[in-house]
Amino acid sequence: AQSVSQHNHHVILSEAASLELGCNYSYGGTVNLFWYVQYPGQHLQLLLKYFSGDPLVKGIKGFEAEFIKSKFSFNLRKPSVQWSDTAEYFCAVTLLNTGFQKLVFGTGTRLLVSP
Amino acid sequence: DAGITQSPRYKITETGRQVTLMCHQTWSHSYMFWYRQDLGHGLRLIYYSAAADITDKGEVPDGYVVSRSKTENFPLTLESATRSQTSVYFCASSPGTGGRETQYFGPGTRLLVL
Repeated sequence: AQSVSQHNHHVILSEAASLELGCNYSYGGTVNLFWYVQYPGQHLQLLLKYFSGDPLVKGIKGFEAEFIKSKFSFNLRKPSVQWSDTAEYFCAVTLLNTGFQKLVFGTGTRLLVSP
Repeated sequence: DAGITQSPRYKITETGRQVTLMCHQTWSHSYMFWYRQDLGHGLRLIYYSAAADITDKGEVPDGYVVSRSKTENFPLTLESATRSQTSVYFCASSPGTGGRETQYFGPGTRLLVL
């Protein structure tokens, strides 16, 4: 079955620490990759996305993600986190195919950044 | 710019009761979606709609009914609520689903079934 795995369920960091959140998917075909973020009390919003080209994608608020096709991974990174980055982060994938492109989400990673 | 709204934001109901969650978007997006968010499962698709009067099942449709008589509205009905339907429900919309479109999410409805 198609799936998206986020192995870090909870991450606690101090401000200025570097962040890397893992995301792996199980599809063998061409994929589109997304990271969504849900700040406390807010709705999900797009952080960044990758379709093709340069595998290093930059998103909002200093986040970036790297697509490594051989590892089926799309890890999210930020060099220096801030307290305001406290949120839940979701990796999501669509499989390039005909018909309806269902967005499949990972289980999410809760990030707590302590000031 | 209202975007996408959901109502109610919080709902407590009892087992066996019918509950309808409302979703309204102002962008005239073709596609609308209902997800539920549960700890350990992330977001799972319940139903989606490609246009008015076109709906289809997602990953976890049992116990839910949807309709879409107007492009902007996509209500989700729990015909006979069960405790297992206690969850946070998110509505989303997108202009298409070629696989690259961003989905825009509403603020969510927290539902507690007693």
